[in-house]
Amino acid sequence: DAGVIQSPRHEVTEMGQEVTLRCKPISGHNSLFWYRQTMMRGLELLIYFNNNVPIDDSGMPEDRFSAKMPNASFSTLKIQPSEPRDSAVYFCASSSPGRGYGYTFGSGTRLTVV
Amino acid sequence: AQSVSQHNHHVILSEAASLELGCNYSYGGTVNLFWYVQYPGQHLQLLLKYFSGDPLVKGIKGFEAEFIKSKFSFNLRKPSVQWSDTAEYFCAARSNDYKLSFGAGTTVTVRA
Repeated sequence: DAGVIQSPRHEVTEMGQEVTLRCKPISGHNSLFWYRQTMMRGLELLIYFNNNVPIDDSGMPEDRFSAKMPNASFSTLKIQPSEPRDSAVYFCASSSPGRGYGYTFGSGTRLTVV
Repeated sequence: AQSVSQHNHHVILSEAASLELGCNYSYGGTVNLFWYVQYPGQHLQLLLKYFSGDPLVKGIKGFEAEFIKSKFSFNLRKPSVQWSDTAEYFCAARSNDYKLSFGAGTTVTVRA
C-alpha cells in the first residue's frame, strides 16, 4: 500500500501564476479531502469528495480555488491566480467507506507564493 | 458537523513525565473519535481511534485515550514521554457525515 500520494512536495511560484496540486488516494477509499494548514489558521478543510462527487466545498476560500476528481484515483486542487497569502501546506487525505475509519493523509505539498 | 476543542495550546514537559491532553467534542449521538500526531515537517499520522466497545483505547507509541461519554471527552495520555514525542497532537471527531472535524491542535515539547 503506497498510501496517499501527493505531488509536488514543494512548489515555489510567483504571484499571479497558476498552481496545480495533485493527489492519488489509496485504492478502495471512496472519500477524498483537501486540507490547508497554516500557523495562523491551523488545519482547514477546503473540500471533500465522496465517490468522486464534491460534497462540501464551503471551505474553499474564494473563486481562485477549484478542485476536481475526474476518477477514483486522482484529484487536483488548482489556484489561479495564486497570491502570497495562499502560502501553506496543502494536505490530501482519503478514507474508506464507513464512519469507523479515520483519514490517511498524504505527505503534503508545501506551497510558497512569492 | 462536530465541534472539537483541545484544552491546551502548548505543553512543555521533561522526559519521563506523564502527559495528558484534553479533548472535548460537541455531538451527543454516535461519534467516532481519533487522535493524530504530526511530527515536525511531516504529515498527520493516526495514533488511535475509538468507535465502539472498550472506552479505553490503546494506540501506537505507548499512547492511550479514554472515551467518557458523559463528559463528551476523549483525553490522550502517555505515562512517560520521550524526547521523540515532541510533536503537534490533534483530536478529531466524526459523526453522521463524512467530515472529520479537527481541534486546533496541541503542541507538545519534551525537554531532554
